[in-house]
Amino acid sequence: DIQMTQSPSSLSASVGDRVTITCRASQNIRTYLNWYQQKPGKAPKLLISAASSLQSGVPSSFSGSGSGTDFTLTISSLQPEDFATYFCQQTYTTQFTFGPGTTVDIK
Amino acid sequence: QVQLVQSGAEVRKPGASVNVSCKASGYTLTRYFLHWVRQAPGQGLEWMGIINPRDGSTSYAQKFQGRVTMTRDTSTSTVYMELSSLRSEDTALYYCGRAPGLYDAFDVWGQGTMVSVSS
Repeated sequence: DIQMTQSPSSLSASVGDRVTITCRASQNIRTYLNWYQQKPGKAPKLLISAASSLQSGVPSSFSGSGSGTDFTLTISSLQPEDFATYFCQQTYTTQFTFGPGTTVDIK
Repeated sequence: QVQLVQSGAEVRKPGASVNVSCKASGYTLTRYFLHWVRQAPGQGLEWMGIINPRDGSTSYAQKFQGRVTMTRDTSTSTVYMELSSLRSEDTALYYCGRAPGLYDAFDVWGQGTMVSVSS
């Protein structure tokens, strides 16, 4: 199975900060990489698919990049509603796997 | 609007089975794949398997092979996930999520079903 890692596992930031989260795959997954946001007690929400395609309704402050094994999720200006846990996911193989998550909390 | 509505919380004893349902509305069930993902308390997301509601074909994560069965009822637009031989480590929130294609992201999720396994 393809293993997904994320860094950092958690970070503290302030409103207005630029935040970058990294996701790494154990083998080449081209751009079959998705990002989800999850808030406590809620289901995950799709933010970005295919490494860089922003979902409809997701603020343009979110962006994704990367291909192959290394990917990033960037929030250009953190808003109060962005404090949450973020997961990456590979859909390159049909044993789909998620990263362990990155929790963004308030500094 | 497009929705996946899951059945309510369940409590089971070790060794028992549980069947969780996921009812689709606002779209045609057979046009999207349906995945099951679980999340143990305070933990990350774990993919369990996928069903193609068009033909009922399935693929399961190796970890759950032999213990999980996914089925669908197209007449009621409902997908089911049965997990057997439950143990305490299966205590988790179970989610269904749909995807337009086999290798696509999960664009709509159910609200989650809590399954608790305890003696």
